[in-house]
Amino acid sequence: QQPVQSPQAVILREGEDAVINCSSSKALYSVHWYRQKHGEAPVFLMILLKGGEQKGHEKISASFNEKKQQSSLYLTASQLSYSGTYFCGTDSGGSNYKLTFGKGTLLTVNP
Amino acid sequence: DTGVSQNPRHKITKRGQNVTFRCDPISEHNRLYWYRQTLGQGPEFLTYFQNEAQLEKSRLLSDRFSAERPKGSFSTLEIQRTEQGDSAMYLCASSLGSGIQETQYFGPGTRLLVL
Repeated sequence: QQPVQSPQAVILREGEDAVINCSSSKALYSVHWYRQKHGEAPVFLMILLKGGEQKGHEKISASFNEKKQQSSLYLTASQLSYSGTYFCGTDSGGSNYKLTFGKGTLLTVNP
Repeated sequence: DTGVSQNPRHKITKRGQNVTFRCDPISEHNRLYWYRQTLGQGPEFLTYFQNEAQLEKSRLLSDRFSAERPKGSFSTLEIQRTEQGDSAMYLCASSLGSGIQETQYFGPGTRLLVL
């Protein structure tokens, strides 16, 4: 079942922060976050395994709450280059290869 | 650049024609995946290879779709008797195949338009 992402879209000014949420109705084994710019391939950001860990990548970090079956992506001090559509991909079956992606969150960072 | 490559990048075809796409994964990546992405949606899983073995096919993959990975390296995805509903971006991804949870690296995709 497809995870639900919120918000669907967000507009920021450079330097502002944003949070993107990903929720599933199924138990999650892992959550994979990607960013995709128009016409380009999805680019891997980070993977979170069940255990409630938080990971970071420069000014982008994420958390994973397996009890709530959700993950959040945190973007701090946003840059113009952060613009794009963010997707979460979830593994609910423990297959470790079959990801189900949400519909995405369109992030626009303006000067 | 040693990333995942896909060819062609764009394909326009008439309904009823057959099309074939190619994916070259990152060297030494044992796992290869095909996804389909339509406008406003995330990638949808189609099929998965571990080396040359096709281990799972989604229900989305009708009988008109076939994928191969003959020598465990590049892969092809063929669509027979294309329909307008097949219009989409077809993405290929690969991963190393050595871990429990692995990073899938995506190629640039092949955009298919069926007229």
